[in-house]
Amino acid sequence: NAGVMQNPRHLVRRRGQEARLRCSPMKGHSHVYWYRQLPEEGLKFMVYLQKENIIDESGMPKERFSAEFPKEGPSILRIQQVVRGDSAAYFCASSFEQGRETQYFGPGTRLLVL
Amino acid sequence: AQSVTQLGSHVSVSEGALVLLRCNYSSSVPPYLFWYVQYPNQGLQLLLKYTSAATLVKGINGFEAEFKKSETSFHLTKPSAHMSDAAEYFCAVTRGDSSYKLIFGSGTRLLVRP
Repeated sequence: NAGVMQNPRHLVRRRGQEARLRCSPMKGHSHVYWYRQLPEEGLKFMVYLQKENIIDESGMPKERFSAEFPKEGPSILRIQQVVRGDSAAYFCASSFEQGRETQYFGPGTRLLVL
Repeated sequence: AQSVTQLGSHVSVSEGALVLLRCNYSSSVPPYLFWYVQYPNQGLQLLLKYTSAATLVKGINGFEAEFKKSETSFHLTKPSAHMSDAAEYFCAVTRGDSSYKLIFGSGTRLLVRP
């Protein structure tokens, strides 16, 4: 049973470009969570999605950031017009159910904005 | 609101020595508590979790943690450190109800000296 897959593992963008980060949850998991890890910090919750629904995006910056989890295909975290402060590791996690169920993390996408 | 404090951003032990990584939490409701390990350039792997059953929780790789409500602590221990234990360790809390947001501490980097 494959784990949570994320791609790309590393992404370099220049300021003003768009970044698209993909996450395929574990088989059978319909709950996806995105977290951001800034250098020397712990992970911070960004957004929680179920298939075709955003459940909680309270941790998402108000502008430039969006997320989706379509009926078919991976979850996408999209960052428009990236700035240097967006440089971070972005982790996706998935669970079978929400709440008390364990969240399983992917290897992360490390975004570097030049 | 829930929060997690990890005392000591770096802990150094000799191989074979006791490992003790400290975690204190605050929560207005019974918490669920987790320890995750992150190896360089990898995602987070669950070591163990406390979900209001036994207060002493055993995890993978010989780690265990004890939930102490009176001290609001959930310290991680291992009797004998191995070189392969060198990594960053994160304590996390979520509420005991169906909350899905993992709130992470800032992490403790464990160094193991030969």
